[in-house]
Amino acid sequence: SAVISQKPSRDICQRGTSLTIQCQVDSQVTMMFWYRQQPGQSLTLIATANQGSEATYESGFVIDKFPISRPNLTFSTLTVSNMSPEDSSIYLCSVVILGARTGEQYFGPGTRLTVT
Amino acid sequence: TQLLEQSPQFLSIQEGENLTVYCNSSSVFSSLQWYRQEPGEGPVLLVTVVTGGEVKKLKRLTFQFGDARKDSSLHITAAQPGDTGLYLCAAINTGGFKTIFGAGTRLFVKA
Repeated sequence: SAVISQKPSRDICQRGTSLTIQCQVDSQVTMMFWYRQQPGQSLTLIATANQGSEATYESGFVIDKFPISRPNLTFSTLTVSNMSPEDSSIYLCSVVILGARTGEQYFGPGTRLTVT
Repeated sequence: TQLLEQSPQFLSIQEGENLTVYCNSSSVFSSLQWYRQEPGEGPVLLVTVVTGGEVKKLKRLTFQFGDARKDSSLHITAAQPGDTGLYLCAAINTGGFKTIFGAGTRLFVKA
């Protein structure tokens, strides 16, 4: 398994501002992902964070709105830019750890974002 | 587009009852995962099933993978309030790398 921490755990932000969420893992990982989740609902994949190169975004998500960095194997950031109330959600990072079976992911505790 | 359909979407039961959650698809998967998520936490991996017909048990939870590897079920025996949470099935298709998640089943177990 892996221990994944996210910072901040929650935040309330003003419309038009940006928030950067950090994800740190204590194990060697092969892949890192960022998801968005409305409370009580399923997960929507935002992007795959690639080490040393641009993230791979899913349909409906763009780099200008959700810039992602992954400077090393165990750390990644997601920025939610120019926020609007529609961006209020829970943002989760997840990882695939080295040696894990295909498909198994470990999730951080999430960042609950409220945009006013 | 591959989809995982979960049912029921919501379940409220009394402590001690049994329940089954289903995860169905028209696609074949190389593996399938079940996660449980409690409020304020991220999803936690419960089990991975790989082989068609496979049955895995985790205390009071029994997981089954369909023979054709297109569907799965999660059965909870004698549910307890601590079982309350959102249950998600997830799968990665054969030859692919992207995980898809079901819509989730919200379980509430009343004491």
